[in-house]
Amino acid sequence: NAGVMQNPRHLVRRRGQEARLRCSPMKGHSHVYWYRQLPEEGLKFMVYLQKENIIDESGMPKERFSAEFPKEGPSILRIQQVVRGDSAAYFCASSPLVDNEQFFGPGTRLTVL
Amino acid sequence: ILNVEQSPQSLHVQEGDSTNFTCSFPSSNFYALHWYRWETAKSPEALFVMTLNGDEKKKGRISATLNTKEGYSYLYIKGSQPEDSATYLCAFNTAISNYKLTFGKGTLLTVNP
Repeated sequence: NAGVMQNPRHLVRRRGQEARLRCSPMKGHSHVYWYRQLPEEGLKFMVYLQKENIIDESGMPKERFSAEFPKEGPSILRIQQVVRGDSAAYFCASSPLVDNEQFFGPGTRLTVL
Repeated sequence: ILNVEQSPQSLHVQEGDSTNFTCSFPSSNFYALHWYRWETAKSPEALFVMTLNGDEKKKGRISATLNTKEGYSYLYIKGSQPEDSATYLCAFNTAISNYKLTFGKGTLLTVNP
C-alpha cells in the first residue's frame, strides 16, 4: 500500500503566480488534512476535507487559498497570487476514519521569489 | 490558543546513550497525544498514539509515557543509534476537534557514532 503521495516535492513561483499542490491519500483513506510549516514554526493545521466536502477550513488564510478533494483524483491546495510569505513546506495527511492516526506525505516545499 | 511545547529544542548524544524528551500540552478537553519521527526530506512517521492517562507504549528501543492530568508526555530512547537521528514531533488533539493535530516545534536528535 503506497503511502501518501505529494507532488511536486519542490515548487518555485514568482510573486503573483499561482501554486497548485497535489496530494494523493493512501488507498482506502477518504479523509485528507493539509498542514503548513512556516520557517522556524511547527506544523499548523489548515484544512480538513472528505470526498467532495470541506469540513473545516479554519486554518486557511481567508484570501487566495482554496482546497478541494474531488470524487476522483487527488486533493488540491491552490494558492493564487502567491507572495513571499507563502514560502513554506505544505504537508498533506490522510486517514481512513476521522479520529484515526494520520499518515503524512513528504511535503511540498514552496519557494516564492 | 492551544500550545504544545517540546524540550529540548535539540540534543546531541553519543551512540549508546539513553535519552528522553518532553512534550507539554493543555490538559483540558484532551483526546489523544501523538509522537512522530521525522527524517529530513521524508514523511513524518507515526510512532505512538496515546489516549489514556498513565499510558505507556513501547516500540523496540523507543517508549513513551502519558500524563493527561498534568499535560505532559515523555519519549525515551534507550541505547541511541545513529539511525535514531531525526526530529521527534509531538502533537495533540482535543475532543472538540479530534481531527485537528496541534504540533510542537519538535526536538532534533543527533546521535554521534
